[in-house]
Amino acid sequence: DAGVIQSPRHEVTEMGQEVTLRCKPISGHNSLFWYRQTMMRGLELLIYFNNNVPIDDSGMPEDRFSAKMPNASFSTLKIQPSEPRDSAVYFCASSPGGGGYTFGSGTRLTVV
Amino acid sequence: DQQVKQNSPSLSVQEGRISILNCDYTNSMFDYFLWYKKYPAEGPTFLISISSIKDKNEDGRFTVFLNKSAKHLSLHIVPSQPGDSAVYFCAASEGSGRNFNKFYFGSGTKLNVKP
Repeated sequence: DAGVIQSPRHEVTEMGQEVTLRCKPISGHNSLFWYRQTMMRGLELLIYFNNNVPIDDSGMPEDRFSAKMPNASFSTLKIQPSEPRDSAVYFCASSPGGGGYTFGSGTRLTVV
Repeated sequence: DQQVKQNSPSLSVQEGRISILNCDYTNSMFDYFLWYKKYPAEGPTFLISISSIKDKNEDGRFTVFLNKSAKHLSLHIVPSQPGDSAVYFCAASEGSGRNFNKFYFGSGTKLNVKP
């Protein structure tokens, strides 16, 4: 298995633009998580899905953030409009349940 | 407010010595704990876990200790090797119920093992 695949690896965008981050979980994993890593707060859980259904989005910072999982093999995290304070590394992870996430390599987002 | 805290942002240890990384949590419902290791430009990778029914779990050079009364866990690496230099995250979940798969992570401790 290729693991959790995230794209793009790096994204530089101007403030106000829409940004879409993508994730392909490991086949057979029924849980998917979006995390954001910052120096101050470490890894923050933004949202997670079980069987493609959003279970907890309490970590989504603002209405500018939205996430979808249209099927078991794909998820997106969208920021619209983006702001400089959104600059961070965004990780997607998947799990078969019962702990033990597998993380992707992350997307480094820079909003200028 | 962070429910999982790693109060040491960095730690430097000589090769061959013991590395001890600490983690504290506030939620008494947490009963399953993980440690992850992260190299630059890579995602975190699972290292070792412990559930609340145990107070120690060992895997080779890595041992995790859990003190439930103090809400504290620690990761021991013996002997430390330069390849262990990475950021280490601890994570905790309630282990059951609706949020059993929801893990809260600490802010990480950057370990530097000097040759």
